[in-house]
Amino acid sequence: AQTVTQSQPEMSVQEAETVTLSCTYDTSESDYYLFWYKQPPSRQMILVIRQEAYKQQNATENRFSVNFQKAAKSFSLKISDSQLGDAAMYFCAYRLSNFGNEKLTFGTGTRLTIIP
Amino acid sequence: DAGITQSPRYKITETGRQVTLMCHQTWSHSYMFWYRQDLGHGLRLIYYSAAADITDKGEVPDGYVVSRSKTENFPLTLESATRSQTSVYFCASSDPGTASNQPQHFGDGTRLSIL
Repeated sequence: AQTVTQSQPEMSVQEAETVTLSCTYDTSESDYYLFWYKQPPSRQMILVIRQEAYKQQNATENRFSVNFQKAAKSFSLKISDSQLGDAAMYFCAYRLSNFGNEKLTFGTGTRLTIIP
Repeated sequence: DAGITQSPRYKITETGRQVTLMCHQTWSHSYMFWYRQDLGHGLRLIYYSAAADITDKGEVPDGYVVSRSKTENFPLTLESATRSQTSVYFCASSDPGTASNQPQHFGDGTRLSIL
């Protein structure tokens, strides 16, 4: 079974600085997708960024980027120019890429605090 | 508005009671999911459904029942609630027919407290 590990239960960063959240996963498969979801205090689950395992290029969405290391099974999220609105729980998630295999496996989350 | 709606948003009940959490989506997504969120565990899959009348167990199905008679609805029932089922419950949907890398879309969650 696939597992996803987020080893940092809590992180904090000064506003406007850069922070990196860690995620590692365990799988024997070669084709899969990885996601980062953000959960603010409102409880919504918001997709931040996604990465296809077959792509070598790291995904980027504005201030959010990933460092995808397939051989190391690592998928970290970098948030640049941190803003107060970035304060949230962040979840890393994994799913297989074959059609019909839609189940997500989540990590335990990292709570990010932004210090003004 | 299109989207995925969960109800109620908050629910308090007593042990032994039956409670049903509702989930409705307007996208006609084929897949729907129920997760529970607990501190230290992240989100764990309870049940999922690939289409109407097709359901399957996830990681933590014990004590829960689901049905899917219509594509847009996927209710989750706790037949005899226990305190260990106190949690935040999320419904989600996805549609692999549009593109294989489509993410799941989540409802706003139901906070369920069992006394």
